[in-house]
Amino acid sequence: ELKVEQNPLFLSMQEGKNYTIYCNYSTTSDRLYWYRQDPGKSLESLFVLLSNGAVKQEGRLMASLDTKARLSTLHITAAVHDLSATYFCAVDSGSARQLTFGSGTQLTVLP
Amino acid sequence: DVKVTQSSRYLVKRTGEKVFLECVQDMDHENMFWYRQDPGLGLRLIYFSYDVKMKEKGDIPEGYSVSREKKERFSLILESASTNQTSMYLCASSGHPGTMKETQYFGPGTRLLVL
Repeated sequence: ELKVEQNPLFLSMQEGKNYTIYCNYSTTSDRLYWYRQDPGKSLESLFVLLSNGAVKQEGRLMASLDTKARLSTLHITAAVHDLSATYFCAVDSGSARQLTFGSGTQLTVLP
Repeated sequence: DVKVTQSSRYLVKRTGEKVFLECVQDMDHENMFWYRQDPGLGLRLIYFSYDVKMKEKGDIPEGYSVSREKKERFSLILESASTNQTSMYLCASSGHPGTMKETQYFGPGTRLLVL
């Protein structure tokens, strides 16, 4: 059974600081997704990582994937308040591309 | 622009009632999914479908059933609602694996309260 663990679960950071969210998964997979969820809203796709060593960047967020270590990271650079949200990683776990999600990291960026 | 819509944003039902949650996508996606989201538990897959009239159990199918009579529509059914089914329900769809459409796109969610 595939297990996906994110840490930390809660993260408060000052504006302008850098931080990394980690996503570990338990079985081999070749696809990993990062989503963002704002309070009361649905999930918005941020990144799709399709191979070992994949790195994608959008604004202040950068995601990477190490399939050998079964680890993905979401790095936040010079955080701003608008990045406050819950971030989920999800791992492809089957032939129909069903996903197994981590528990989410609730990020709060403080002024 | 991908659009996944769900029939209700908020729903209040009584224990024992039959509940229908509808999801429609307009991107001709093959795959559709139903999740529930609970605090501290993330999203858990209830059922998914990879084709019309096809369905597969996810991680927590007990107490739920689904129907997919048309490609664009995927319904989640609670045959006899119970209080432990109070949750946020999210529908998602995705295209054929290996294509640009394979990312799952989510609907706005239905927050269900069972009294």
